[in-house]
Amino acid sequence: GDSVTQMEGPVTLSEEAFLTINCTYTATGYPSLFWYVQYPGEGLQLLLKATKADDKGSNKGFEATYRKETTSFHLEKGSVQVSDSAVYFCALTDLIYNQGGKLIFGQGTELSVKP
Amino acid sequence: EAGVVQSPRYKIIEKKQPVAFWCNPISGHNTLYWYLQNLGQGPELLIRYENEEAVDDSQLPKDRFSAERLKGVDSTLKIQPAELGDSAVYLCASSLRTTNEQFFGPGTRLTVL
Repeated sequence: GDSVTQMEGPVTLSEEAFLTINCTYTATGYPSLFWYVQYPGEGLQLLLKATKADDKGSNKGFEATYRKETTSFHLEKGSVQVSDSAVYFCALTDLIYNQGGKLIFGQGTELSVKP
Repeated sequence: EAGVVQSPRYKIIEKKQPVAFWCNPISGHNTLYWYLQNLGQGPELLIRYENEEAVDDSQLPKDRFSAERLKGVDSTLKIQPAELGDSAVYLCASSLRTTNEQFFGPGTRLTVL
């Protein structure tokens, strides 16, 4: 079945450092890819998405490019802030092949940014 | 626009007791999802509704879990009886049927003692 694998955390960075969180996937069809962020005590918030190969999703300085050839969707940010400390989840869904669109999540990567 | 509303936010019960969680989706969203999130893991789908019909409940442990979505709006997820292993966060999400973007509520954190 479809699956998502993320790099393990926790990831600890200093403020203004460059961030990369790796995400790879396996899928039968043509999934859409997502990054969700979960701040402490809160629900998941959609950070960015990409619906087809070579699409780049971006939001709040975060970016991720849908790479079909490497089945990857790595999250990047050029300069992290303390307020970016959270757990980040990579996820996919496939409206056609995946039973109408349930999200399949990776295990999450905790990011801690120190001042 | 109001987001997905869930209640209660926290619930502590003893094992073998029943518990229920409530979700109110975003207005107009016909698809509703219940996910289970264990500590340190990503959410996993329990059940998906299209309007009032449960169209994917393959991951719902039907011996103790039940769900309903009367009138195709609010939904309730119930556990009876609860077990220690049910301690987790229960997330509700909603979306339009024609899109793949799901909006999540804040979740209910259940602790079973």
